[in-house]
Amino acid sequence: ILNVEQSPQSLHVQEGDSTNFTCSFPSSNFYALHWYRWETAKSPEALFVMTLNGDEKKKGRISATLNTKEGYSYLYIKGSQPEDSATYLCAFAGNQFYFGTGTSLTVIP
Amino acid sequence: NAGVTQTPKFRILKIGQSMTLQCTQDMNHNYMYWYRQDPGMGLKLIYYSVGAGITDKGEVPNGYNVSRSTTEDFPLRLELAAPSQTSVYFCASSYRDRAYEQYFGPGTRLTVT
Repeated sequence: ILNVEQSPQSLHVQEGDSTNFTCSFPSSNFYALHWYRWETAKSPEALFVMTLNGDEKKKGRISATLNTKEGYSYLYIKGSQPEDSATYLCAFAGNQFYFGTGTSLTVIP
Repeated sequence: NAGVTQTPKFRILKIGQSMTLQCTQDMNHNYMYWYRQDPGMGLKLIYYSVGAGITDKGEVPNGYNVSRSTTEDFPLRLELAAPSQTSVYFCASSYRDRAYEQYFGPGTRLTVT
């Protein structure tokens, strides 16, 4: 069994706050690290896929970084908005996919 | 482009019954996946396929079977349903290998009683 850990489990922030989450994964057999956004009653949607140590990706107010040597990735949201409320999943792609349990973000207007 | 479609949306099975969960994608993706999601748990990979005629086990394959006779379709078969298979099942596809983003279907909620 391979563990992918996400922290915190849940988070409540005020509108306009910036926030970040962590995904920890094994540093061996790394192929890629995925981030997905999962809104209630919908399906997960891809945010980023990163493959190289030191990768940084950005989409609007959301960005992510990757450290494969120490086995972690950060997801940052700048100036959180209520529509950012969702569960954010990371997935470690080694020989196959292993998902974390997600960070549930609630942005309070 | 419908993306990834799954049928049925909901199903209740009795213990010991069999059923097939259907998954179809119209994006000409090579890779397809089946996941289950239990409360408080992350998505667990059941089976995956890297192309027509090729399937492989994921983390939790017991009690399930798959086939991939075409690029578009990747059905998941439950032969003898058990209460432990009560879950939400998601099918996903990606253009190529594990470095490509996955596109998820809407899910099938299955209850086994």
